[in-house]
Amino acid sequence: SAVISQKPSRDICQRGTSLTIQCQVDSQVTMMFWYRQQPGQSLTLIATANQGSEATYESGFVIDKFPISRPNLTFSTLTVSNMSPEDSSIYLCSDSTGENTEAFFGQGTRLTVV
Amino acid sequence: GNSVTQMEGPVTLSEEAFLTINCTYTATGYPSLFWYVQYPGEGLQLLLKATKADDKGSNKGFEATYRKETTSFHLEKGSVQVSDSAVYFCALTGGSARQLTFGSGTQLTVLP
Repeated sequence: SAVISQKPSRDICQRGTSLTIQCQVDSQVTMMFWYRQQPGQSLTLIATANQGSEATYESGFVIDKFPISRPNLTFSTLTVSNMSPEDSSIYLCSDSTGENTEAFFGQGTRLTVV
Repeated sequence: GNSVTQMEGPVTLSEEAFLTINCTYTATGYPSLFWYVQYPGEGLQLLLKATKADDKGSNKGFEATYRKETTSFHLEKGSVQVSDSAVYFCALTGGSARQLTFGSGTQLTVLP
């Protein structure tokens, strides 16, 4: 199983600022995903991070708000831009090694916007 | 599209009680099914999985059987412990969509 490291693990940020979350996998993976978990809610997919091309965003999420980088097969970043209190959530990255396989998750980044 | 419907929570049980958390799904083709667990303050951990009909996934005393005829993947444990207190998510992936589709999550609290 892949080991996924995320940082920071938590942060408290001022509204209007941006935070970049890093996700490092200990092996090469074809696809990486970013999810948001709002307080007391389930996980919602933000986007698929594609290596060598732009990320693919789900409905309701846009690149200007959540720019994503994927410079190689083991690393990705998610930036939460121009933050507001509504962005307070847990952000998680995960991997995929193939169709119909399980995904492994980082420990999550707990973001509080004040 | 894919969807997962999960038993509403929260669920509170006494230690050694029997646990069932219901999960049904809608998907095209033949999805793989998963249960993930999220302990307080932590990320998601894979609890068990099943990749084809009639498969039984099991781990740490938890079991779930992939029932294609009822499109279900109910989670069961015969005797819960206080340490099982967590949020449990049913999820699936299938076809060309490699990302997971999650249920709403069920908060389980086990009292001593």
